[in-house]
Amino acid sequence: ETGVTQSPTHLIKTRGQQVTLRCSSQSGHNTVSWYQQALGQGPQFIFQYYREEENGRGNFPPRFSGLQFPNYSSELNVNALELDDSALYLCASSFGGAVYEQYFGPGTRLTVT
Amino acid sequence: KNEVEQSPQNLTAQEGEFITINCSYSVGISALHWLQQHPGGGIVSLFMLSSGKKKHGRLIATINIQEKHSSLHITASHPRDSAVYICAPNTDKLIFGTGTRLQVFP
Repeated sequence: ETGVTQSPTHLIKTRGQQVTLRCSSQSGHNTVSWYQQALGQGPQFIFQYYREEENGRGNFPPRFSGLQFPNYSSELNVNALELDDSALYLCASSFGGAVYEQYFGPGTRLTVT
Repeated sequence: KNEVEQSPQNLTAQEGEFITINCSYSVGISALHWLQQHPGGGIVSLFMLSSGKKKHGRLIATINIQEKHSSLHITASHPRDSAVYICAPNTDKLIFGTGTRLQVFP
């Protein structure tokens, strides 16, 4: 157990809808990164938040947005869902950026129909 | 060409065998992570290293920064080692390989 939790575990949405995924970081960690993992692929970096500010973004459109709260929990929001958004969404917390050990949550599996 | 290449993609072993998984990358990095992902998705960080070698139990990770290559070794493999092993070099973010699927049979 890493101490990082994600909710919900599974989610089914319809194309065009909006979704919010949540991540609770390990205590003391001020950085959270979000990743998308399509079936059979490695995770892809979506963005990272450090002390409530976006601190790096991967090649994802603006309809993927995030928030980090003062308690360092985080949300990933996806608007106008597309079928290709179906994936496992992982968050990872750390004390600092990617140069520090990453603690991954169990993921949220999103299915878009 | 992918920035991170892992080999082999799939690996089958008998319990007790010595396992090696290789990772080559093309980008400049400050560190490299080895991760383990079990069915169902959960990812566990095994190692983070920027030079030399690290050992944790039956797992050993090595990295050669000049050659842009890292290896993960599992000694005395066990069925519970069956998982996907992912190499993730760190630039200003993690870049993930597609993983090596390992199955260890009794």
